[in-house]
Amino acid sequence: AQTVTQSQPEMSVQEAETVTLSCTYDTSESDYYLFWYKQPPSRQMILVIRQEAYKQQNATENRFSVNFQKAAKSFSLKISDSQLGDAAMYFCAYRGWWGGATNKLIFGTGTLLAVQP
Amino acid sequence: DVKVTQSSRYLVKRTGEKVFLECVQDMDHENMFWYRQDPGLGLRLIYFSYDVKMKEKGDIPEGYSVSREKKERFSLILESASTNQTSMYLCASVGADRMNTEAFFGQGTRLTVV
Repeated sequence: AQTVTQSQPEMSVQEAETVTLSCTYDTSESDYYLFWYKQPPSRQMILVIRQEAYKQQNATENRFSVNFQKAAKSFSLKISDSQLGDAAMYFCAYRGWWGGATNKLIFGTGTLLAVQP
Repeated sequence: DVKVTQSSRYLVKRTGEKVFLECVQDMDHENMFWYRQDPGLGLRLIYFSYDVKMKEKGDIPEGYSVSREKKERFSLILESASTNQTSMYLCASVGADRMNTEAFFGQGTRLTVV
């Protein structure tokens, strides 16, 4: 079975600084997707960034980038130039790709990020 | 705009009641999911469905069942509600092709069982 582990329950960063959130996962599949979702106090889940396992290049979205290490099954999120609006719960997620029951989407336990002014 | 709608934002039910949580999506997505979210435990998958009438157990299916009779609607059923099912419930949907990998979520239902 696939699992997603986030070992940092809480993190804190100063405004304008850089922070890295960690995520590891376990799977026997070769084709899958990884995601980081953000959940602000409004509770609405927002996609931050996605990575396709068959692509070696790390995904980037403006101030957000990932370090995807497929062999190590590691998928960390780097937030540069942190802003107050980045304060939220961040979830790492995994989704298999071979159709049917393998399309399961599973999440880690989350990292609560605080941004200090 | 993609829309995933959950039938209630807040719900209070009594122990032993049968509870229905409804989720409707308007994007013609094949896959739909039900999660419960508890502090420190993240989003735990209860059930998911990858097609009409198809369902798969997630990590915590005990005490729950689901129904998917139409593609756009996925229902979560608590057969006999108990206090330990007090939680936030989130529904999500996602397509089956590589152009639709982003999951979209409902606004959540906060269920309290008294």
